[in-house]
Amino acid sequence: EAQVTQNPRYLITVTGKKLTVTCSQNMNHEYMSWYRQDPGLGLRQIYYSMNVEVTDKGDVPEGYKVSRKEKRNFPLILESPSPNQTSLYFCASKRDARATNEKLFFGSGTQLSVL
Amino acid sequence: DAKTTQPTSMDCAEGRAANLPCNHSTISGNEYVYWYRQIHSQGPQYIIHGLKNNETNEMASLIITEDRKSSTLILPHATLRDTAVYYCIVRGSMNSGGYQKVTFGIGTKLQVIP
Repeated sequence: EAQVTQNPRYLITVTGKKLTVTCSQNMNHEYMSWYRQDPGLGLRQIYYSMNVEVTDKGDVPEGYKVSRKEKRNFPLILESPSPNQTSLYFCASKRDARATNEKLFFGSGTQLSVL
Repeated sequence: DAKTTQPTSMDCAEGRAANLPCNHSTISGNEYVYWYRQIHSQGPQYIIHGLKNNETNEMASLIITEDRKSSTLILPHATLRDTAVYYCIVRGSMNSGGYQKVTFGIGTKLQVIP
C-alpha cells in the first residue's frame, strides 16, 4: 500500500533531550516535507526536500534539522527541544518535486510534547 | 502567494449536499486549486483539484468560477464521516529552485449533523 509512515505517533520528552521523528515513503517520491500544526495557525512548513541531498528551509525552520540521505527517508531532528516545539507534526511527499499538478500524501502525524 | 479565504465553520444535515466556498481572488493563470480535508488530528487527505474546468471524482465535485477567483467544493451526500476541517489551497509562487509553496490556512470546520 502506498503510504507515508511517521514514527512515533506520540512522543513525550523533556527540554534539551535530542530526538528524531522518522518519516518514510514507499512511493519513490522526489519531494518530501515537514509541517507542524498548532491551534489557530494551520499547517506551517518547517523544511522540505526536492530530492536526495537537497533540503531547504520552510516558514518555521528554527530549532529543527533534517536530512535526506536516501530518497525514501526524511527524518526530522530536534537537537535541543523546547516547550514551544510542542505540536502536531506531519510529514508529506509528492512524486514530482516541480509538478504543479500533483497531490501531497501525508503521514498520520506525530504528537510531540516537550516538558 | 495566492491566498485563500474560507468560512471558519459550517453545518450540514446528513444526506444533504455540503457546499464549501473558497475565495482566491489573487490566483494566477497557471495555479491549481486543491482541496484537502483533515479528520480530527489525522494527516490531511487529498480530495480533488482543478485548474479551470469543473472536476468530479468519487469523493466530491469542484466548481471553479469562470474568472477563477472562487471555487466551491461539493460533497453530494454528506455523511457523519465527512465531519472534518476542509482546506482550500492554491499553489503559491515558485522560488528560484523550482519549488512551489503550499500554504494551509485554518480551513473550514464542517460539522455534519444527524
